[in-house]
Amino acid sequence: AQSVAQPEDQVNVAEGNPLTVKCTYSVSGNPYLFWYVQYPNRGLQFLLKYITGDNLVKGSYGFEAEFNKSQTSFHLKKPSALVSDSALYFCAVRRNTGGFKTIFGAGTRLFVKA
Amino acid sequence: NAGVTQTPKFQVLKTGQSMTLQCAQDMNHEYMSWYRQDPGMGLRLIHYSVGAGITDQGEVPNGYNVSRSTTEDFPLRLLSAAPSQTSVYFCASSSGGWGETQYFGPGTRLLVL
Repeated sequence: AQSVAQPEDQVNVAEGNPLTVKCTYSVSGNPYLFWYVQYPNRGLQFLLKYITGDNLVKGSYGFEAEFNKSQTSFHLKKPSALVSDSALYFCAVRRNTGGFKTIFGAGTRLFVKA
Repeated sequence: NAGVTQTPKFQVLKTGQSMTLQCAQDMNHEYMSWYRQDPGMGLRLIHYSVGAGITDQGEVPNGYNVSRSTTEDFPLRLLSAAPSQTSVYFCASSSGGWGETQYFGPGTRLLVL
């Protein structure tokens, strides 16, 4: 069965500091991995995805994520956090075979303090 | 393009009432999905469709029905609302293929009393 774990309910970071939001997954076969962000009272917006190729993926708003197959992780990172990055972040996984179902993690709330 | 639209934005129902949550997209996407979002549980897939006339169940399908008569529309029906269905509901669409990005609507907040 597919599953996604986001071990931290909340991450606090000071503006200008690097940030990491963690995600680990369990899926049979090769995964497609996604990060989405949700601002208050809004739908989810796509940040970045890993399909194949380079393990370091760059996305919107300066975010990047590193796919680590041996550790089954896909952590989201940003070198310098902004107050405007404060939001709810979701990691999601989809198998590349056998159906279209996407499994989302529980979400991590990022709080960037000025 | 309007993208993915959902109506209504907010709804209050009494237990046992029925209603339909509307979802429409104007991007000619083949794939559409319904999710519910509950605190601490992320998004859970209710039903999805890979094209007009084709639907399938997700993780939490009980109490919900869907149909897909056109590419654009994917309504979600609650046949007999229960308090456990109080949630925020999101519709999403994508152009197909396992690696494609999903585009989400703004959500419908449902309260069942």
